Parts: sequence; structure tokens; C-alpha cells
Amino acid sequence: NAGVTQTPKFQVLKTGQSMTLQCAQDMNHNSMYWYRQDPGMGLRLIYYSASEGTTDKGEVPNGYNVSRLNKREFSLRLESAAPSQTSVYFCASSEAWGQGYNSPLHFGNGTRLTVT
Amino acid sequence: KQEVTQIPAALSVPEGENLVLNCSFTDSAIYNLQWFRQDPGKGLTSLLLIQSSQREQTSGRLNASLDKSSGRSTLYIAASQPGDSATYLCAVAIMEYGNKLVFGAGTILRVKS
Repeated sequence: NAGVTQTPKFQVLKTGQSMTLQCAQDMNHNSMYWYRQDPGMGLRLIYYSASEGTTDKGEVPNGYNVSRLNKREFSLRLESAAPSQTSVYFCASSEAWGQGYNSPLHFGNGTRLTVT
Repeated sequence: KQEVTQIPAALSVPEGENLVLNCSFTDSAIYNLQWFRQDPGKGLTSLLLIQSSQREQTSGRLNASLDKSSGRSTLYIAASQPGDSATYLCAVAIMEYGNKLVFGAGTILRVKS
């Protein structure tokens, strides 16, 4: 059971370059999320998709775009990378989303991105 | 704005010791609180989820408690083992944003053999 799979695992970009981080889950989950993790700051939500066909901004969406391609896949795109986007990016999924719904998150192993 | 704080930032204990990790949050309007484990270079693994109506959850040697009124949660690890060495993060699902989580920065635990 693969769970949540992220590609690539590592990436180095130059300022201004673009790239797409890929995420896929095989647990038939409805909701998917993108977080970034920076030292000493915990994880911060970038974008989320409560269900197939919907996406919404999280806490730190500036400089990113997302696409919920289908129920399994949720991609994160950096259109013009900046050094401030150097971070570890995690994709996560949960069975459902909604007020009061208690659904644990399942995380991928992350993409370590460096922007020079 | 909800803020989640974890104390201590790092902890080193000898094998076999019982230990407590602390998590505090500023807004008691939460749906649930979750504890995660993160191994170096890996993603997060969900350990325990406590619903807002619950006081505690147990899984094996782990016990997590929740006191919403005081904005606190503790993760108790019994008879610690070197394999417990990892970063432990807590996160709260805040009512303002549905099931989205606000994370603490984590406690780095090292269990010495």
C-alpha cells in the first residue's frame, strides 16, 4: 500500500524557474493538502482541495498554484521560484473534510526544494 | 489567530524512562487535536487523534490527553525506547477553517540506549 506518493524527492531551481510538484494517493481519499515545512515554524498550509473539483487557499498561497487533476492527484506549481520558497513540501490526504469531521491526515515523504 | 506551541523544543532521555511532551494552543474552538511523529527525511505519521469531546486517547505505549478549557495537550510515552527517537508534532483542527490543521514546531526526542 503506497499511501501518498510525492515526486520529485529533491529539486534545485534557480530564481525565476518554474516547476510542478506531483502528489498521488491510493487510499480513495476525498481531501488533499499541500504544506510547507520550514525550520522552527512547523507546517503551514499552502492550498487544499476538500473534494475533487475544488481548491482553496490556505495560510501561505502566494507564489503557488494548484490543480486537482482527479481524485487521486493534486499538483503544486511554482510559476517563478524565489529563494523564500526554499523549503520542504509535503502533500497530505484525508478521507473527508468538513466542519466537525475528524479524519486523520496521511502524509507523503516530502519534496526538498532549494531555490538559488 | 490560533497559535500552537510545543515545549520543550528538544528532549534527551535514557531508555526506559517515562516522558511527557507538551502542546498548548491559544483558541479552544477546535474540532480535534492530532499528534504526529516525523522521522528524519520522512513525512509525518499520525499517532493519535483526540476529538474535541474527548479527554484522552491511547495507543500502545502512547497516551494523549486534551484539556480544551486550558488549551493544553500532553503526549505521554511509557517505557521509552531508542526507536521512539523522532520529532513529535501536535496540530489542532481549527473551527474557523474546517478540517485544516495548525501545527506546532515540534519536539525533537532522543532516547539514549
